[in-house]
Amino acid sequence: EDQVTQSPEALRLQEGESSSLNCSYTVSGLRGLFWYRQDPGKGPEFLFTLYSAGEEKEKERLKATLTKKESFLHITAPKPEDSATYLCAVQPRAYLMISDMRFGAGTRLTVKP
Amino acid sequence: NAGVTQTPKFQVLKTGQSMTLQCAQDMNHEYMSWYRQDPGMGLRLIHYSVGAGITDQGEVPNGYNVSRSTTEDFPLRLLSAAPSQTSVYFCASSFDRNTGELFFGEGSRLTVL
Repeated sequence: EDQVTQSPEALRLQEGESSSLNCSYTVSGLRGLFWYRQDPGKGPEFLFTLYSAGEEKEKERLKATLTKKESFLHITAPKPEDSATYLCAVQPRAYLMISDMRFGAGTRLTVKP
Repeated sequence: NAGVTQTPKFQVLKTGQSMTLQCAQDMNHEYMSWYRQDPGMGLRLIHYSVGAGITDQGEVPNGYNVSRSTTEDFPLRLLSAAPSQTSVYFCASSFDRNTGELFFGEGSRLTVL
């Protein structure tokens, strides 16, 4: 069965303290892995798509990387405005549509000034 | 540009009542979908549509109906509300049925007493 597990569930950082969020997946092949950011009371906002092991994507203080079993979202020198829940989702290779995406439960990140 | 608009933002129902959650997008996206988000769980797909007149079931369709008469609108109907349907509901759209880049609305929080 396709599964997506994110860790930790919650992470508290001081401003400027770099860290990483983990997304482990078990799927029958991987078509794509996606990262989203969700602010309290809002809908998720798309960040990155990764397709193959070794691929990296960057946006401001965020960098997403992908291996054959997991993805990391690295946050460098975070600021309070980076506080949010970060969601990971995978699209198994066996399926052709985004209706088959599976989401993880998310990591709630809090950055204290 | 409004993007994906959901109404209402909050709703309280009694068990057995019916209601419709509205979703509209102004991006001319063919793909639209409904998710529910529960604490500690990932987003789960309820129903989706790949174009006007075409709908299909997702992972958790029981107790919900959808229709797609226009490209812009994709309402979600709760036929006879149950406490297990207490959740936050998100509508999402995408320009393509294959891409994992979804555009989400801000959500509708439903409580069933």
